[in-house]
Amino acid sequence: KNEVEQSPQNLTAQEGEFITINCSYSVGISALHWLQQHPGGGIVSLFMLSSGKKKHGRLIATINIQEKHSSLHITASHPRDSAVYICAVKDSGAGSYQLTFGKGTKLSVIP
Amino acid sequence: GAGVSQSPSNKVTEKGKDVELRCDPISGHTALYWYRQSLGQGLEFLIYFQGNSAPDKSGLPSDRFSAERTGGSVSTLTIQRTQQEDSAVYLCASRRGGSYNEQFFGPGTRLTVL
Repeated sequence: KNEVEQSPQNLTAQEGEFITINCSYSVGISALHWLQQHPGGGIVSLFMLSSGKKKHGRLIATINIQEKHSSLHITASHPRDSAVYICAVKDSGAGSYQLTFGKGTKLSVIP
Repeated sequence: GAGVSQSPSNKVTEKGKDVELRCDPISGHTALYWYRQSLGQGLEFLIYFQGNSAPDKSGLPSDRFSAERTGGSVSTLTIQRTQQEDSAVYLCASRRGGSYNEQFFGPGTRLTVL
């Protein structure tokens, strides 16, 4: 079973700061997801990636398959970015379709 | 179009009672997942449905938990003889066919067992 670790657990930033959230996993995967969960509880999928880098607006996600590590970056952070960010991985085994989740990183962006 | 919907949004029950939680996936999505998020814990996979295939029940924590998906659409998660440790937010997600497609999450049902 894959072990997914996220760091930091909690992060407080000033508005405008560049933010990095890290995710590492223990077993080879076929895909990694970054999810965002707002205080109301709703979960939104931000990225799904299996290699390289993806960018959407101020969000950038990178993954290094050899090092079993991914990062989520937020440029020019804003209070509305305050949320819990969750990393989830899909194992590469045949027929594997369940996700294993990290415990999340709680981000608070202060004006 | 409409997203994934779940009902009820909140459920309070007494220990020992049975509860049913409902998920309406996005129309046309063939895959459906149930997850549980306990207070202070990460998301935990419970069960997965894909089309007409046998579901993957490997994440169900005990035989008190069961789920059905009728007609390849609506799903019901049933918890029998609820225990206090069953208190959690139960989330449903659906995706189009193809395991590399994005999952869309519902708002969840917050279950409280007294």
